[in-house]
Amino acid sequence: DSGVTQTPKHLITATGQRVTLRCSPRSGDLSVYWYQQSLDQGLQFLIQYYNGEERAKGNILERFSAQQFPDLHSELNLSSLELGDSALYFCASSVGGQGGEAFFGQGTRLTVV
Amino acid sequence: AQSVTQLDSQVPVFEEAPVELRCNYSSSVSVYLFWYVQYPNQGLQLLLKYLSGSTLVKGINGFEAEFNKSQTSFHLRKPSVHISDTAEYFCAVSVADSWGKLQFGAGTQVVVTP
Repeated sequence: DSGVTQTPKHLITATGQRVTLRCSPRSGDLSVYWYQQSLDQGLQFLIQYYNGEERAKGNILERFSAQQFPDLHSELNLSSLELGDSALYFCASSVGGQGGEAFFGQGTRLTVV
Repeated sequence: AQSVTQLDSQVPVFEEAPVELRCNYSSSVSVYLFWYVQYPNQGLQLLLKYLSGSTLVKGINGFEAEFNKSQTSFHLRKPSVHISDTAEYFCAVSVADSWGKLQFGAGTQVVVTP
């Protein structure tokens, strides 16, 4: 158990819909990262928050957004869903931003039908 | 920009045999290097990391890796594998000033058979 909790574990939704994925980082970790894992793109970095502020952005679509709340949990919002958004979405957390170990959650498997 | 290349998409290996997974990276700045393992239907677990210092890094479950700056490589090795080592292995890099975001390779599927 990494200490990072992601909910829900599985999500099935229709095209055009909006979903919210939730992540609770390990106790004491200030950084939260979101990654997308798909068969065609592999593991891609989406976005990072540190202590409530956005710190780094990767290949995140405009239809996707995220935020980190004062209690440090984070949410990833995916809207106007397309079939190609079907993937495993991972959250990871670390104490700080530089070179430290990132602990990954079990992921949320999103299926868009 | 940096990139990570895992040279083998799949590596079949017999139980108790050694295994080496190859990883090459490119970057114009200093990097930190990592190997993660993903078991079926699980998240990623850190095997080992290189931040600085000794180029031979030992990790969990008997794995080790060697950082070679001149060849820009970070190959992962285990002298004797078990059936339970069947999993997907990812090499990743983090640039020193990138706030810890990881760039992953495509992964290497290790299949251990008796």
